[in-house]
Amino acid sequence: SQQGEEDPQALSIQEGENATMNCSYKTSINNLQWYRQNSGRGLVHLILIRSNEREKHSGRLRVTLDTSKKSSSLLITASRAADTASYFCATDDDAGKSTFGDGTTLTVKP
Amino acid sequence: NAGVTQTPKFQVLKTGQSMTLQCAQDMNHNSMYWYRQDPGMGLRLIYYSASEGTTDKGEVPNGYNVSRLNKREFSLRLESAAPSQTSVYFCASSVKNGYTFGSGTRLTVV
Repeated sequence: SQQGEEDPQALSIQEGENATMNCSYKTSINNLQWYRQNSGRGLVHLILIRSNEREKHSGRLRVTLDTSKKSSSLLITASRAADTASYFCATDDDAGKSTFGDGTTLTVKP
Repeated sequence: NAGVTQTPKFQVLKTGQSMTLQCAQDMNHNSMYWYRQDPGMGLRLIYYSASEGTTDKGEVPNGYNVSRLNKREFSLRLESAAPSQTSVYFCASSVKNGYTFGSGTRLTVV
């Protein structure tokens, strides 16, 4: 079974709005990562947050991590049509292998 | 700046045929991975190689074999393709701060 599970499965918003996606996981982790996948393409790494970090920013992206709740969230502020993609969280084990969730499909309408 | 290069991009096989998917990275990464992605789902790990000369099974290894030819190259072989192996296959390599993915191989087994 997948370690990470994203919620919601699909999200549709208007350009300019914020988009929030959540990820829950089951076992302890070293790192948690978020990736973006445009249709028909490979995954692109967005941001990594370590287990001892609570929040991280990168441009319009904000990631939080709550290890007590085994959950993370990805916030995209001031969304653009180009943000339309699927977003995946991935948790890293001690060996450095990543386990991916099923993703959230984000549609940003112009 | 090639990153991770996968070939071929598309392939159609008949049931029982064999083929090898090629992957090469030019970033001097130690770890390399093969994932499959089925429609609407996340990535599932088939095999990985933590370093040159080592390979290990992932979540869904049955029906596949791999070879870590050298530090750059990690190939995935289907000895006798089955329709259940119809999927998009991604190769990735990594250091500590995230994976770099290839653009994928779309395989259809008829």
